[in-house]
Amino acid sequence: GIQVEQSPPDLILQEGANSTLRCNFSDSVNNLQWFHQNPWGQLINLFYIPSGTKQNGRLSATTVATERYSSLYISSSQTTDSGVYFCAVVPYNQGGKLIFGQGTELSVKP
Amino acid sequence: KAGVTQTPRYLIKTRGQQVTLSCSPISGHRSVSWYQQTPGQGLQFLFEYFSETQRNKGNFPGRFSGRQFSNSRSEMNVSTLELGDSALYLCASSLDEGLGEQYFGPGTRLTVT
Repeated sequence: GIQVEQSPPDLILQEGANSTLRCNFSDSVNNLQWFHQNPWGQLINLFYIPSGTKQNGRLSATTVATERYSSLYISSSQTTDSGVYFCAVVPYNQGGKLIFGQGTELSVKP
Repeated sequence: KAGVTQTPRYLIKTRGQQVTLSCSPISGHRSVSWYQQTPGQGLQFLFEYFSETQRNKGNFPGRFSGRQFSNSRSEMNVSTLELGDSALYLCASSLDEGLGEQYFGPGTRLTVT
């Protein structure tokens, strides 16, 4: 089956710093989403981005489907950005089955 | 518009018992999927339902089952609970089968003792 790899697994930043999280996948996908999991376990939707580039405030994401990767860019990080970031893909012809990466745990220090 | 809701939020059960978890999708969403999250295995797909039919199934034993009702609400059931079933169970809904963005509920945290 498809493999989804996220890097780095852990990241520690000072408040105000910028960061880039990476997601590589091993096969064609119909859908790609980025989530932020809060301390209570809820997955918060960040981007639905099968291809192209999107921006939402301090966050932006780019997916290059032909090269099988996506990146999430966080600028001017805040302590509230701390948590685990997940990339998830729906493999081609597999309905709505999301396959998740192992996540990047981000800690932003004041 | 209300988000995805899941009940109960927390549950403690004993080995050998069974449990039923409930999920109400966003109004107008017809597809519901279930996921299990554990520290060791991460987030894993359980099954997907659309029009009261299971459309897709993950690699879980038959003790895990689910169903969807005509109003798109879904339940999942785990029989003969094992310690390893302790996990956060997340439900997601989307507009249509296999299409579009999925939105997750707050989850049910199950502890098996």
